[in-house]
Amino acid sequence: NAGVTQTPKFRILKIGQSMTLQCAQDMNHNYMYWYRQDPGMGLKLIYYSVGAGITDKGEVPNGYNVSRSTTEDFPLRLELAAPSQTSVYFCASKSGRSNYEQYFGPGTRLTVT
Amino acid sequence: AQTVTQSQPEMSVQEAETVTLSCTYDTSENNYYLFWYKQPPSRQMILVIRQEAYKQQNATENRFSVNFQKAAKSFSLKISDSQLGDTAMYFCAFIPMNRDDKIIFGKGTRLHILP
Repeated sequence: NAGVTQTPKFRILKIGQSMTLQCAQDMNHNYMYWYRQDPGMGLKLIYYSVGAGITDKGEVPNGYNVSRSTTEDFPLRLELAAPSQTSVYFCASKSGRSNYEQYFGPGTRLTVT
Repeated sequence: AQTVTQSQPEMSVQEAETVTLSCTYDTSENNYYLFWYKQPPSRQMILVIRQEAYKQQNATENRFSVNFQKAAKSFSLKISDSQLGDTAMYFCAFIPMNRDDKIIFGKGTRLHILP
């Protein structure tokens, strides 16, 4: 089991560029999440999905889009990168609604200059 | 609004000592989970310990234990016999039961274990 994997590990973007952060899990989890972690802060929820074809906004969704075409993959899209999106991005998954534990990926450090 | 507060931004202790990290939270929910996550320099988020609010007994995992005071909305983490590998950021987190989205993290406490 690879668990939750994220690519890339690091990325530098110029203002206005677009990119997709990849997230995949091999645990057959229905629930998947995207968080961002700003310096000196905890994690904030961007988007989440309770199953293939279903996505919902979290606390800080502006500037991002997601899709969930398969159970395994949950990519996060940045359309017009802004310096405020400089952060570390974590993907997480869990098996079901009553299962409390989320499994985290290793994170992607994104810098927008 | 639901919030999680960690009042100690940074702490340092000598190896083998015991250290307690503080966490308070605010919620109107009655059923929820509380967690402590460890984030070492590798950035990986690792679940250290969890507590269900309906359980009165404090959770324990080896050298890690919590002091859960539901009425006071307090959830502190005690690390006994601290080790160099315990050096990390520690996040307190809260999630109401049977909610899909609302996991709330504190800002974290950076813990240094000194040799």
